[in-house]
Amino acid sequence: DSGVTQTPKHLITATGQRVTLRCSPRSGDLSVYWYQQSLDQGLQFLIQYYNGEERAKGNILERFSAQQFPDLHSELNLSSLELGDSALYFCASSAGQGTGELFFGEGSRLTVL
Amino acid sequence: QKEVEQDPGPLSVPEGAIVSLNCTYSNSAFQYFMWYRQYSRKGPELLMYTYSSGNKEDGRFTAQVDKSSKYISLFIRDSQPSDSATYLCAMNGPSGGSYIPTFGRGTSLIVHP
Repeated sequence: DSGVTQTPKHLITATGQRVTLRCSPRSGDLSVYWYQQSLDQGLQFLIQYYNGEERAKGNILERFSAQQFPDLHSELNLSSLELGDSALYFCASSAGQGTGELFFGEGSRLTVL
Repeated sequence: QKEVEQDPGPLSVPEGAIVSLNCTYSNSAFQYFMWYRQYSRKGPELLMYTYSSGNKEDGRFTAQVDKSSKYISLFIRDSQPSDSATYLCAMNGPSGGSYIPTFGRGTSLIVHP
């Protein structure tokens, strides 16, 4: 058990809908990262937050947004969903800002029909 | 050209074999090099972590980094069926004040009894 909790584990929704994925980092970790994993692209970095502030952005679509709350949990919002958004979404946390180990949750599997 | 290249496999070996997994990269700013193991339907977990060039050994696992060739390797001795998983290389360096691990696509390893 990595200590990182992600909900929901599975989500099935229709095109055009909006979903929210939630992540609770390991106790004491200030950084939260969101990654998307698909069969053809591997693990793609979306966005990082550190202590409530956005620190880095990757290949995150404009339809996607995220935030980190004062209690350090994070949410990833995906809107106007398309078939191609079907993937595993991972949250990871670390104590610092990326030079150390990332601890991953078990992921949220999103299926868009 | 992707920043990190990794052969997806699958790599199938008999139990007890020595396994060699490799990645190449193009970004000379990378300083930290990692190997993660991901079992099916689980999040990645860190196996090995090295800074700069050199070797690091941990039990049956040895990680090698050759920065001059931009090439990293993971060796698994006396491989076991329980080692069957996807192995992802990851690396990072300073980027706009943050460190964001960039992952390879992963190599699927199958160790058969």
